[in-house]
Order: sequence, then structure tokens, then C-alpha cells
Amino acid sequence: QVQLKQWGAGLLKPSGTLSLTCAVYSGSFSDRSWTWIRQPPGKGLDWIGEINQSGSTNYSPSLKSRVTISASTSRNQFSLKLTSVTAADTAVYYCATFDKGGYYFDFWGQGTLVTVSS
Amino acid sequence: QSALTQPPSASGSPGQSVSMSCTGISSDVGGSNYVSWYQQLPGKGPKLIIFEVYKRPSGVPDRFSGSKSGNTASLTVSGLQAEDEADYYCSSYAGSNNFDVVFGGGTKLTVL
Repeated sequence: QVQLKQWGAGLLKPSGTLSLTCAVYSGSFSDRSWTWIRQPPGKGLDWIGEINQSGSTNYSPSLKSRVTISASTSRNQFSLKLTSVTAADTAVYYCATFDKGGYYFDFWGQGTLVTVSS
Repeated sequence: QSALTQPPSASGSPGQSVSMSCTGISSDVGGSNYVSWYQQLPGKGPKLIIFEVYKRPSGVPDRFSGSKSGNTASLTVSGLQAEDEADYYCSSYAGSNNFDVVFGGGTKLTVL
């Protein structure tokens, strides 16, 4: 059973950089990409971006200028960096694996609440 | 505004069946067999419960079923149980533009 465990700072000041890491246990890229999704308080799910086995990335157009997703396949980990954060970036951030054959997110991390506040 | 439209709430009594909809357009739900559903229990992360319109991952009870007609997908929960009270999100393949998947805004299911 694939498990994802994520960690990172939960409180940031405006203009700071959000940094989260997700470790994938008992799973590899295979036919999947590794993705980040966020959920603002009381709201729905927003896709942030993905990284594929080749190292290629895709980002949400609304975040593209501020986001970087990277991965270490040797450590089965991938990371999210979001720069110049504002209060609007306050959300629970999830890492998830995405099955590219069936277009679904099959395994999810436990989520990290990131609060941006001065 | 979410790309897929879900009713904000649904409810039912224990033992009843309840269905919730997920409406898109011809280029996502209507043109795809790649609709998935996620259950989010209070305070927890989402969990995949339906993929490819009607398939269930191992371990998901057969009380959960999915279907699709035209531009609308549906999730039905039969034999409702108190533990089914959660938020439910749909998503669908939306074509290879930047990324392939769009989400609905979620439906909060209340077990009365």
C-alpha cells in the first residue's frame, strides 16, 4: 500500500516562501505523476502542479510564476516551493499521486495547514 | 468558481440511499470516462472512492457507486451510515491543455 507523508513549516509571514516535502513509501513514478493540491479553509480542492518521472513539470497558470516542484527519485521524495506568499495562500496543502492512465488521484498525504500571517 | 458543479449539500437518514451530482460540459465529464470521486471525512485528507466513472478501489464498500449520463456524473451512497457523513468531491479529465483534471466544489453529505 502506497503511503505519502508530508512535512514543512506551518506558519509563514507575508512575502515568505512556502516549502513542503512529501515522501512516497512503497510506490514509485510508474504511470503516475506526483502532485500538489491545496484547499483553502472551507473551500474546495485546487490543483497546484505536478512532476513526472522524466522531471518535467506542469503548474497551475494562476501560480506558475511563483511555484516550483522538484523531486528526488532516489529518495522517493518531492517538494513544493511557493514564493511571495500572501494570506490568500493560506490553505491545507496535500501531496498526492496521480494515475495518468485513469486520471485520478489515488493516494494522498495527510495534509499540512499553512497559515500566512504577519 | 469550480469547473464542475456540485450541489453544496445532500442529506439522508441511515439506511436510505442518496445521490449527488457532478455537472460539467462536453469536453470534460461529457466526453470522458475518467470521472473520479473523493470522500473527505471531517478533518481528514481526501480518499479516492470511485474512479473511471464507476470503479471502486480495493476496500471501498459496494454501497458506493458511480454512474454518468451526458455531462452529469453521479455518486450514489446506498444503505447510508453515520460514518458516511463527509464532503464529496468529483473530478474529471478535461483534455490536455495545461493539466488534465478539474474538480467540483464539493457536496457536504449529512446523515440525519
